[in-house]
Amino acid sequence: AQTVTQSQPEMSVQEAETVTLSCTYDTSESDYYLFWYKQPPSRQMILVIRQEAYKQQNATENRFSVNFQKAAKSFSLKISDSQLGDAAMYFCAYRSYSGAGSYQLTFGKGTKLSVIP
Amino acid sequence: EPEVTQTPSHQVTQMGQEVILRCVPISNHLYFYWYRQILGQKVEFLVSFYNNEISEKSEIFDDQFSVERPDGSNFTLKIRSTKLEDSAMYFCASTRLDEAFFGQGTRLTVV
Repeated sequence: AQTVTQSQPEMSVQEAETVTLSCTYDTSESDYYLFWYKQPPSRQMILVIRQEAYKQQNATENRFSVNFQKAAKSFSLKISDSQLGDAAMYFCAYRSYSGAGSYQLTFGKGTKLSVIP
Repeated sequence: EPEVTQTPSHQVTQMGQEVILRCVPISNHLYFYWYRQILGQKVEFLVSFYNNEISEKSEIFDDQFSVERPDGSNFTLKIRSTKLEDSAMYFCASTRLDEAFFGQGTRLTVV
């Protein structure tokens, strides 16, 4: 079974600064997807960024980028130019590549990010 | 932009009572899911549903849980006899291709 570990229960960052959230995972599969989800106080789960394991290039979405180290099974999220609206719970998640259409996600415990004005 | 909607946003029920949580997935999506998040804990997979039947379920999804797609738009999660430990946020999600879209969740409180 796959596991996802987020070792930082809480992080804080000054507005406009950069912060990196850590995530490691354990799997025996070679093809899979990794995700970062944001959960603001409204509790909705919002997809921030995704990475396919077969792609060597790190995914980027505007101010959000990942550092994907497949051999180390590490998938960190970097938020640049942090904004007050980035304050939220961030979850790292894993999905197997196999099982066409099935989308069972395995989540980490989350990192609560605070942004200091 | 299409979205997954869940009702109610908050439900309070007495232990032992049945509850039905409702979801309207995005209309052209094919796979539907329920996840649970106990307060302060991680989000856990409960069940996936495709072509009017369960395709996967976790060990959490025992006999007290059931899912149904009663018509072309709704997707429901029923808990037959609620327990205190069922208190959690329940998220519905749907997918067409690879990306899952989540609803805003239903907070279930069992008293």
